[in-house]
Amino acid sequence: AQSVTQLGSHVSVSEGALVLLRCNYSSSVPPYLFWYVQYPNQGLQLLLKYTSAATLVKGINGFEAEFKKSETSFHLTKPSAHMSDAAEYFCAVRGFGGGATNKLIFGTGTLLAVQP
Amino acid sequence: SAVISQKPSRDICQRGTSLTIQCQVDSQVTMMFWYRQQPGQSLTLIATANQGSEATYESGFVIDKFPISRPNLTFSTLTVSNMSPEDSSIYLCSSRGGGNTEAFFGQGTRLTVV
Repeated sequence: AQSVTQLGSHVSVSEGALVLLRCNYSSSVPPYLFWYVQYPNQGLQLLLKYTSAATLVKGINGFEAEFKKSETSFHLTKPSAHMSDAAEYFCAVRGFGGGATNKLIFGTGTLLAVQP
Repeated sequence: SAVISQKPSRDICQRGTSLTIQCQVDSQVTMMFWYRQQPGQSLTLIATANQGSEATYESGFVIDKFPISRPNLTFSTLTVSNMSPEDSSIYLCSSRGGGNTEAFFGQGTRLTVV
């Protein structure tokens, strides 16, 4: 069974500070991993994805994530937070195969607050 | 990427009634998904809807409560039947084409049952 764990339901950073949102995954097959962002009253927008190519993945809005198989992690980072980054962030995993592994499984989300 | 239009964007409904949510994708897609996001929580998959076959429901969700239609490769509906206040949630439609690894999402339907 696949799952993701996001450590920290709430993270607060100062504007200009490093953003680090943690995600650990569990998967019995090689996974696809994703980070999505949800702004208030909106749907989910894909930030970036890992599909077994480069382990360091760059996404939109200056975010990036590194796939570390040894640590089963896919943490999301941004060097300098902006006020507009305040949103909820979801890590998600999907298996490489078919059937039950083909479903997108979400973590519990991390609400990022950016302080001026 | 696919653009997904979902409507209504929000609704307030009386308990015991039903609401049908529509999801339109701007391209043909193999797989469509319906999620529920309860207040302050993450997304839970309700069912997977593939064109030409019955929807596949996740544990805890049943067809009588959440009937789904998938008449073609660009459209799906989810009905929330016999609603109770516990059904108050955001319902999101998602799609993934055969050549895509990622899923795309509609803006969601914010449902309040009173």
